[in-house]
Amino acid sequence: DAGVIQSPRHEVTEMGQEVTLRCKPISGHDYLFWYRQTMMRGLELLIYFNNNVPIDDSGMPEDRFSAKMPNASFSTLKIQPSEPRDSAVYFCASTPDRASGNTIYFGEGSWLTVV
Amino acid sequence: GQSLEQPSEVTAVEGAIVQINCTYQTSGFYGLSWYQQHDGGAPTFLSYNALDGLEETGRFSSFLSRSDSYGYLLLQELQMKDSASYFCAVRASTDSWGKFQFGAGTQVVVTP
Repeated sequence: DAGVIQSPRHEVTEMGQEVTLRCKPISGHDYLFWYRQTMMRGLELLIYFNNNVPIDDSGMPEDRFSAKMPNASFSTLKIQPSEPRDSAVYFCASTPDRASGNTIYFGEGSWLTVV
Repeated sequence: GQSLEQPSEVTAVEGAIVQINCTYQTSGFYGLSWYQQHDGGAPTFLSYNALDGLEETGRFSSFLSRSDSYGYLLLQELQMKDSASYFCAVRASTDSWGKFQFGAGTQVVVTP
C-alpha cells in the first residue's frame, strides 16, 4: 500500500513568497495531521482533520498559515507570506480511526527553506 | 498543558541494551507512544502503552507506569541501524482526540 505522499519534498523560496505544501493521506484514513519539525521546537502539531473537517487548529502559528482538506485524498498547507522562521520540515500524517489512532503514519516530509 | 521529558542523547555499543526514559505531565492521560526517526526520514511508530506494564515487540520493549507518569523504551541487542532519534508522545484526555504531543527526542548513537 502507498504511504502518505507529500510534495514537494524540498522547496527553497524567498521571503514573502507563497508556499503550498501538498499531502495525500493513506486511502481510508479518516484523520489527517500536519506537523512541523525544527531543532528548536521539535515536532509540533499544527492542525488536524477528521473526515475532511478541521478539528483542532490551535497549533497553527499565525494567520499566515492556512490548511484545507477539500476531499478525503488531498490536503494543503499554505504559508503566505513566508518568512525565514518558517524554515522547517513539514510532515503530513494520517491514521485510520480512533480505534487504531495510536499509530500515526507519517509522510516523508517537505523540507522548506525560506531565504 | 502537557510536558514530556526525555534524555537528549544516549550512546552505546553494538549488542548492548539501552533504556530511554520518558516522564510526562498531562491533564488526563490516554497512553504513551514511541516513534523512531532516522536522520532525514519520517517518524515511524514503534509501540503504544495504555496500561501499566511491559509490551514487547522483537528487540524493542516499552513500559508504562501510570501512577509514576513514567515510561521507557528498551532497545536490546543494539544494531548500527538503531542509531536514530526516539520520541515519546502522549495524548491528554482533556485535549481534542488527535492532539498528540511529542517529546524533544533522544538521539541514540550506536558505536561499533
